[in-house]
Formats: sequence, structure tokens, C-alpha cells
Amino acid sequence: EDKVVQSPLSLVVHEGDTVTLNCSYEVTNFRSLLWYKQEKKAPTFLFMLTSSGIEKKSGRLSSILDKKELSSILNITATQTGDSAIYLCAVGTGANNLFFGTGTRLTVIP
Amino acid sequence: DTGVSQNPRHKITKRGQNVTFRCDPISEHNRLYWYRQTLGQGPEFLTYFQNEAQLEKSRLLSDRFSAERPKGSFSTLEIQRTEQGDSAMYLCASSSGLAGAISYNEQFFGPGTRLTVL
Repeated sequence: EDKVVQSPLSLVVHEGDTVTLNCSYEVTNFRSLLWYKQEKKAPTFLFMLTSSGIEKKSGRLSSILDKKELSSILNITATQTGDSAIYLCAVGTGANNLFFGTGTRLTVIP
Repeated sequence: DTGVSQNPRHKITKRGQNVTFRCDPISEHNRLYWYRQTLGQGPEFLTYFQNEAQLEKSRLLSDRFSAERPKGSFSTLEIQRTEQGDSAMYLCASSSGLAGAISYNEQFFGPGTRLTVL
């Protein structure tokens, strides 16, 4: 059975801190790994990773995939209160749908 | 606004009633997906369309659920004889394979329809 596990389940940090969110997966026919940010609405696309070891970066957010370890990390530097959200990891397989983890709830305190 | 749109945003209904939700995908996207999300969980796949063809349905999609995409543009999801367990956020997403098959995985979500069954 396909599985996507995210850790930690929740995290509370102070503004300015750097955080690392983890995602590990066990799926058949892996094609891609995606990160989404979800506030009180629909998930917002952040990154799609397909190749191991190549970092994707957008502002203070970056992510990298390790296909050998079947995992990915999402880093957020200099966190701001606006980063407070649930961060979802999803894996795209040959089945044409995305398989999501339960998410990491990040709270950034001023 | 050129993103995915969904209507209504909220729906409260009584057990046993039928409800229908609509999704309008990003215009150039030929794939459309429906997901369901309950509190504390990630979205779970229900079904997807390529153009007007429904190509896959999850085991979560019971006989009371039906989805259509008649002209390959907007889609509707109908739930008949709603049950309290149907209460959830129903999310629609769309994607395009213009950049190759892998780009189908890059799915963009709408704001969702939150269904509450009393």
C-alpha cells in the first residue's frame, strides 16, 4: 500500500528561525514529489521534484529530493508569521493521481 | 482570475438530500481531478478526467457519488442520499500535459467546497 509520512506533525517556532520539514514515501511507480502550502483554503503549489539531489528554490523556501532514501525535505529560512500553515507533501505515481501525507502544521510566533 | 474555481464554497444539507458541486478548471488544462479532505488529513483522490473521459475512480467513490465533465471543460460532482460521513472539503484540481506527461502531476487546486451534512 502506498504511504507518505510527514514529520514532525506540528512545529512551533519564533520568527526568524529556520525550519526543516520531512517527507518520506513508499510507493509503487514513483514519478514526482510535490510540496503544497495549505492555509484555511485549498493547497497552494510550491514545488515539484523529480530528480534526486537537485535543489529547487523560491525565495526563502527550498526543497530537495533523495530518491535513494525515498525522502524529501522542505526548508524555510528566516520564518515569518505568514509562513504559518499546513505543509503537505504528495507523491505522484503512474496512477495519475497524487497521494498525500497528513501534513506538518507550522506555527510561527512573532 | 484564471485559477481553478469551485461553487458553492460552502454547502449545508440534511442527511438524505442530494448535493451537486461544480468545478471550473484552468482553461488550458485537459485533466481535472476531484479529491476529498477531512479534518487533520491530506486530500484523498476520488476520480479524474482527461478531457470528457473519466479515466479512474477511487474505491472511496461509492455508488452514491457520480462525476461528469460533459464537454471537457467544467465538471460536476453529485452526492446522492448524503450521509454524515460525507462531511468534508471537496477539492478540485487541474493539470496539463503540455510540458510532457510528468507535468500532469503538477496539479493546481481550487478553493474547495466545504460540505456539512446534518
